[in-house]
Amino acid sequence: QVQLQESGPGLVKPSQTLSLTCTVSGGSISSGSYYWSWIRQPAGKGLEWIGRIYTSGSTNYNPSLKSRVTISVDTSKNQFSLKLSSVTAADTAVYYCARGATIFGAPRYFDYWGQGTLVTVSS
Amino acid sequence: SYVLTQPPSVSVAPGQTARITCGGNNIGSKSVHWYQQKPGQAPVLVVYDDSDRPSGIPERFSGSNSGNTATLTISRVEAGDEADYYCQVWDSSSDHPTVFGGGTKLTVL
Repeated sequence: QVQLQESGPGLVKPSQTLSLTCTVSGGSISSGSYYWSWIRQPAGKGLEWIGRIYTSGSTNYNPSLKSRVTISVDTSKNQFSLKLSSVTAADTAVYYCARGATIFGAPRYFDYWGQGTLVTVSS
Repeated sequence: SYVLTQPPSVSVAPGQTARITCGGNNIGSKSVHWYQQKPGQAPVLVVYDDSDRPSGIPERFSGSNSGNTATLTISRVEAGDEADYYCQVWDSSSDHPTVFGGGTKLTVL
């Protein structure tokens, strides 16, 4: 059974960089036709896709966040990470990591999710 | 950018059928996936590729997709089905974004 677990600071100051790591257990991050994503959800609001990374290192980002987002993968640690720069209060949200399935390389659905971690942007 | 539109809320009595729609331009040409999210929990996949169910999801959950509307149907609704439901697609435009609908709160009366 694949499990994902987010970790990182729960409080980040405005203008600083939010950094989170997702540790994957129960399977290799490099195996199979999968990609790895970050998704966030402000309190009381809907889901917002942040971006994805394939184990090849190829990335895609939400156009609205693209200038501030970097997603990377460390296959030796079975982890992938999110960096979001120049944060403001609008970036306060629960951040989820998730595994995505693919077909012929095209993204499909998310079959495994982390439990989510709340990140608050405040001075 | 591609937009998915869901009704904010749907209400249904126990034992009845709930239908949650997801509208998008020519969404019938895309694969639609549905998630259930209960308060304080991560989303759970309930339907993928328009109408397939992951293992462990009751047959009461079904989906369809045609034209400009995809629909998640929950038959014989139970109190435990009360949750937020989100549709999701992949947009093949530049940046290849994943897009979520705004979510629908299902209330079991």
